Amino acid sequence: DTGVSQNPRHKITKRGQNVTFRCDPISEHNRLYWYRQTLGQGPEFLTYFQNEAQLEKSRLLSDRFSAERPKGSFSTLEIQRTEQGDSAMYLCASSLHRGGVSNQPQHFGDGTRLSIL
Amino acid sequence: AQTVTQSQPEMSVQEAETVTLSCTYDTSESNYYLFWYKQPPSRQMILVIRQEAYKQQNATENRFSVNFQKAAKSFSLKISDSQLGDTAMYFCAFIGNTPLVFGKGTRLSVIA
Repeated sequence: DTGVSQNPRHKITKRGQNVTFRCDPISEHNRLYWYRQTLGQGPEFLTYFQNEAQLEKSRLLSDRFSAERPKGSFSTLEIQRTEQGDSAMYLCASSLHRGGVSNQPQHFGDGTRLSIL
Repeated sequence: AQTVTQSQPEMSVQEAETVTLSCTYDTSESNYYLFWYKQPPSRQMILVIRQEAYKQQNATENRFSVNFQKAAKSFSLKISDSQLGDTAMYFCAFIGNTPLVFGKGTRLSVIA
């Protein structure tokens, strides 16, 4: 168990550019989640996958945000035409879901900190 | 919609003392789980303790225990024998038929 891995750790980019973050979950975990965390706040849910299926995406902040998990393993989160307000920590988590209410704890990565100049 | 409220933005405790962090939540669901997560400075979020709503017995994990009052929708975390390594942000979180919902967190400082 190598834990949840996120790359890059930090991303600095100019406003208007596109950015993509990667998350590698714990290998046996079938669920993968993306969150955004701004300073002084708790993580805010964005979207999640079970295997390759995206089960919830209505919480994505705008149509500039999209996520994929094409083979049910790693996932990418893309933000197009970045804005100043996108500056935040983007967290990925994974869990093993066995049905019913998801009682299995989510394991978090270190996050990717995005700074928009 | 589910909401989680942590009313204490910051707290401090002397090393070896006991501290209690408060959390209340609002839901109409009957089957759910509650968690406390810890986020040390510049480090990843880790699970501290978990409580199943259908269990009346309060969960304990070593120095960490909860006081779960289902009727009052309250879920406080007690840390006994506080250690310097307990310094962190603590987040209360709820999961039912909706994705995990976090509170805004309590910043705990353990003072030597």
